Amino acid sequence: DQQVKQNSPSLSVQEGRISILNCDYTNSMFDYFLWYKKYPAEGPTFLISISSIKDKNEDGRFTVFLNKSAKHLSLHIVPSQPGDSAVYFCAASAEGSNYKLTFGKGTLLTVNP
Amino acid sequence: ETGVTQSPTHLIKTRGQQVTLRCSSQSGHNTVSWYQQALGQGPQFIFQYYREEENGRGNFPPRFSGLQFPNYSSELNVNALELDDSALYLCASSYRQGVNTEAFFGQGTRLTVV
Repeated sequence: DQQVKQNSPSLSVQEGRISILNCDYTNSMFDYFLWYKKYPAEGPTFLISISSIKDKNEDGRFTVFLNKSAKHLSLHIVPSQPGDSAVYFCAASAEGSNYKLTFGKGTLLTVNP
Repeated sequence: ETGVTQSPTHLIKTRGQQVTLRCSSQSGHNTVSWYQQALGQGPQFIFQYYREEENGRGNFPPRFSGLQFPNYSSELNVNALELDDSALYLCASSYRQGVNTEAFFGQGTRLTVV
């Protein structure tokens, strides 16, 4: 039973365009959401997070949107750069779960020059 | 400020053997979690340690065990290794302060069981 789903295994975009990565969740107790980026042979690197009391959080080129009613979040990268090419993981945690993270399977983003 | 470091980076073990993986938490962090990432999957939560006590466990059998030391470093021990234990093992540290916060990951240990 996958509580966090990333339905697109891969995404390819042109440099300078917008990348939109999507994530759906089923557990209504989740109240904190994070995006991590992972390069081969490295551990996941924290990118951006959002609390369930917000619907948008922005950090430079990265913006995360949360739609609680749809149990959906998305990560927007504008403009996309070749160095953004990596696997992106969506993760969620719930208060009372001792902050354990539940991850999706990831989306491989390729940004073409 | 030092990041999360894990050792070794790679190792190969034979089925039935035991293995110990090590993690040094990021300076100032008091919580460490371990995750298993199988090929093509997202990381799966194994367990978490807070102030040297296990503080949450995922769906892993008891042959997966751990320790957290006073300096907040940690070990993951796996007994009676099985072929399916082959995976990337990730350690993540964070500072628990009553609210959700991000966890910072090490580079992982790639375990291959043959």
